[in-house]
Order: sequence, then structure tokens, then C-alpha cells
Amino acid sequence: DGGITQSPKYLFRKEGQNVTLSCEQNLNHDAMYWYRQDPGQGLRLIYYSQIVNDFQKGDIAEGYSVSREKKESFPLTVTSAQKNPTAFYLCASSMSTANNEQFFGPGTRLTVL
Amino acid sequence: SQQGEEDPQALSIQEGENATMNCSYKTSINNLQWYRQNSGRGLVHLILIRSNEREKHSGRLRVTLDTSKKSSSLLITASRAADTASYFCADRNSGNTPLVFGKGTRLSVIA
Repeated sequence: DGGITQSPKYLFRKEGQNVTLSCEQNLNHDAMYWYRQDPGQGLRLIYYSQIVNDFQKGDIAEGYSVSREKKESFPLTVTSAQKNPTAFYLCASSMSTANNEQFFGPGTRLTVL
Repeated sequence: SQQGEEDPQALSIQEGENATMNCSYKTSINNLQWYRQNSGRGLVHLILIRSNEREKHSGRLRVTLDTSKKSSSLLITASRAADTASYFCADRNSGNTPLVFGKGTRLSVIA
């Protein structure tokens, strides 16, 4: 059953703590993406990776970090430097950044208490 | 770096009616895509229309593209309650960059 998974579905964190969101895909896609979604804001790109061991900042990378050590995995760390981290986080993948269709995971809702 | 902007922001219709939502762009269109998002879920790809195409169909979906007006429309015919979702248009700012999404249209289909 091919697809893209995110865990956990809901995540609560205290202010000042770092937290890591998981994203895994078994579609053999080279490119992976992290988006943040706030109400009425649409999707904003945080980071993306075109290939293993490579990643680029998106529009709102400050306060976030990523790694791409394996093709299947693209974890996102929300650091304490992110001032307003409460949001819905979506991971996506595609065959390449030039390939047109992106496949999305189910999302992780992060709430900072 | 918002590429597309959907209109209207929200739309409420009765089951069986048609729903039309629009997407306008500031720069040239590459290969415009439409996605659907059910509440609290990930996005699902619906349809892609290339810059040299004017119309495309997929089941009850019809997408048109007007490059002179830098706009695209998504028509859902004979709507169902299950069509209730947010709909986003997306395109790339240039050939090898990630998709940029609009803010979406929230569609409510009332049974």
C-alpha cells in the first residue's frame, strides 16, 4: 500500500521545547516538502528537498530545521525559535520538483500549550 | 510568493447545483493544478491543465484556462454533499521550483 505517512496526528508541546514531526514515503519519490497551514492562509512552504542529503529553505524556514538522510524520510523539527508554531503541518512528495503532481500526507496538528 | 488567488473564499450551494471557483495569477501560468482538501486532512490532486490547453474534463470536474486573463476555473457539476471541501489551485513560479498554492475556496454542499 504505497503512500506518504505523517506521525503523530496530534502533537502538544510546551513553549520552549523542540519537537520533531515525522514524514515517511514509500513512493520512491526524490522530492519531499513541508508546508504549514494556518486558517485562511493556505499552504506556505517551509523546506523542500530535491534529493537525499540536500534541502532548501522555503518561504517561512525560520525556526524550523530538516534533514534528508534517507530517501524515504524527511523529518521536520520545530524549534523553540519558532514564535508561533501552533498550526497544521503537511508533508508532501513528488517524483521530482519538476514533476507536476504532489502527494500529501494526512498532516500533523501541532498545538503549543 | 503567492502565485494563485482563488475566488470566492467561500461558496455554499444546494446538492445537485453546479459549483464554480476561480483562480487568478499574477505571472504566467506553467502547468496549473487543482487540489481538494477535506477538513483536517491532506490535499488530494484533482486535475492538471497545461499552459497550451484551454479545457480539461475529469468525471464531474471541468477546468478551463484563459492565459490572456491569467485565470483558471474549476467547475463541479451536479454537486454532492461529499464534495464539501476546500479547493486550491497551484502552480510553479518557474520550471524546477515547488508548487505554490493559493488560499483556497471553501465549498459547502448542503443536502
